[in-house]
Amino acid sequence: GAGVSQSPSNKVTEKGKDVELRCDPISGHTALYWYRQSLGQGLEFLIYFQGNSAPDKSGLPSDRFSAERTGGSVSTLTIQRTQQEDSAVYLCASSPRGGIGTDTQYFGPGTRLTVL
Amino acid sequence: AQSVTQLGSHVSVSEGALVLLRCNYSSSVPPYLFWYVQYPNQGLQLLLKYTSAATLVKGINGFEAEFKKSETSFHLTKPSAHMSDAAEYFCAVTENYQLIWGAGTKLIIKP
Repeated sequence: GAGVSQSPSNKVTEKGKDVELRCDPISGHTALYWYRQSLGQGLEFLIYFQGNSAPDKSGLPSDRFSAERTGGSVSTLTIQRTQQEDSAVYLCASSPRGGIGTDTQYFGPGTRLTVL
Repeated sequence: AQSVTQLGSHVSVSEGALVLLRCNYSSSVPPYLFWYVQYPNQGLQLLLKYTSAATLVKGINGFEAEFKKSETSFHLTKPSAHMSDAAEYFCAVTENYQLIWGAGTKLIIKP
């Protein structure tokens, strides 16, 4: 079946603009994750959605970052008033059950965000 | 908090030679450990995972890893490197549900 898809694949924006990044998880997966991959910081956890539970937002770096997951499926990560340090690859993953350490996370190809 | 250390940001081996990528973890509880591979301009793909069923774990593309509790290690190996193995490899441990990542090791294959 189809894997995790993300759009756009590349996004170039100007400092101060808002951006929206989209993730379509694997159908039937209850858990969805966002990570950020940047040169200086490596891979960082951002946010986790599990079913209808309140998301774990503990990894979001500032209040300019927010995310939602509609209908337990598609997720959107929004970055307001983008800064140059937001430049990174944003990765989305989904897993069948979530909440379990053994659950395999399947990753999308990522969105490369460049803030000029 | 758990952490993962990958020794060597770059590892270079000749085609046909043994591949050894090192990963050490710190965890106060039995860990669940993963190796992912990232090919250039692609997402992360699971190579293998340790979930306490067996200490020697076999993955895709001929890779395997051995969990050694006494050494807190989960090194990745492949007997014979192929040019197509050139990629970046990440070791990760789960903390609750999120993955805690090592810094990654870029594997370079010399012809």
